[in-house]
Formats: sequence, C-alpha cells, structure tokens
Amino acid sequence: EDKVVQSPLSLVVHEGDTVTLNCSYEVTNFRSLLWYKQEKKAPTFLFMLTSSGIEKKSGRLSSILDKKELSSILNITATQTGDSAIYLCAAHPGGNTPLVFGKGTRLSVIA
Amino acid sequence: SAVISQKPSRDICQRGTSLTIQCQVDSQVTMMFWYRQQPGQSLTLIATANQGSEATYESGFVIDKFPISRPNLTFSTLTVSNMSPEDSSIYLCSVRGQGATEAFFGQGTRLTVV
Repeated sequence: EDKVVQSPLSLVVHEGDTVTLNCSYEVTNFRSLLWYKQEKKAPTFLFMLTSSGIEKKSGRLSSILDKKELSSILNITATQTGDSAIYLCAAHPGGNTPLVFGKGTRLSVIA
Repeated sequence: SAVISQKPSRDICQRGTSLTIQCQVDSQVTMMFWYRQQPGQSLTLIATANQGSEATYESGFVIDKFPISRPNLTFSTLTVSNMSPEDSSIYLCSVRGQGATEAFFGQGTRLTVV
C-alpha cells in the first residue's frame, strides 16, 4: 500500500528560527513529490519535485528530493508567525491516480 | 492553475439531513477528487469523480452515503447524506489537469452537524 510519512507531526518554534520538515514515501511508480501549505481550509501548492538533488526555492522556503532515500525535506528560514500552518507532503504514484498525502506537520511560530 | 469555486463555504446542519457541496472549475480538468479532513486529521480521499460515469470510491466510503455527480469536465457535486455529528469535517474538492501532477484545491466546506 502506498504511504507517505511526515515528521515531526507538530513543531513549535520562535520567530527567526530555521525549521526542517521531513517527508518519506513508499509509492509504486513514483512520479513526483509535492508540498502544500494549509492555513485555514484549502491547501495551497508550494512545490513539486521530480528530480533528485535539485533544490526548489521560493523566498524563505526551499525543498529538495532524495530519490535514493525516498524522502524530501522542506526548509523554512527566518520563520515568521505567518508561516504557522499545516504543511502537507504528497506523492504522485503516476497516471490518473490520486495523490497520496501524509498526515502533515503542524508548525506553530511564536513571537 | 485553475480557479476553483466551492460552495457553500460552511454550513451547520441538523442530523439526518443531507447537504450538497458544489465544485466549479473555470476550465476543463481531467481529474476531480473529493477529500474529507476531520478535525486534527490529514486529508482522506473519499472518491474520484468520473465524468459521465459512477465515481470511484475509496475503502470505507460508499455511494449511498456520499453520492457524487460529475456531469461535465468543469463541475462536480458531493452530497453528504443522512448526516450525523461524525460527518462534521472540512470537505475539499481537488482538480488536476491532463498530464499534470500538481493538484489544486477549492476553498473547502466546513460542515458542522448538530
């Protein structure tokens, strides 16, 4: 059965800290790994990773995929209270199949 | 990315009643999915909405409880039938285009059953 595991499940940090969120996957016919940010109801798309070792970056957020280790990390530098959210990792098994989501990491950034 | 309109945004319903949630996309999309997110939990896939045919349900979800329609490539509905307090959740529609991997989400429907 395909699965995605995220760690930690929750994290509390102070503003300015750097955090690393982890995601590991076991997915047949793996095609890509995606990260989403969920603040209220709807997850918003952050990154899609298909190639190992190539960092994707957007502002203070960056992510990289390691296909050998079947894992990905999401880094957030100089965290702000606005980064408080649930961060979801998802794997695409390929074809017209649904994404497989992890349980998410709940990040709380306190002033 | 597609613009997805999901409504209602929230509702409070009496147990035993049904609620239909609509998802409208501004462009034709290949794949449409319905998810449920119970309080404090991650996303759980309910079903894949298939255009012109019956939806494909995940284990633990049945058509009688969650009937789904998808009459065309831009619109789908999910009905939560004979609701109980355990159905209180956020319901999300998600879409993916032909050949695309990234999925995008509607604004979500926060359902409270009392």
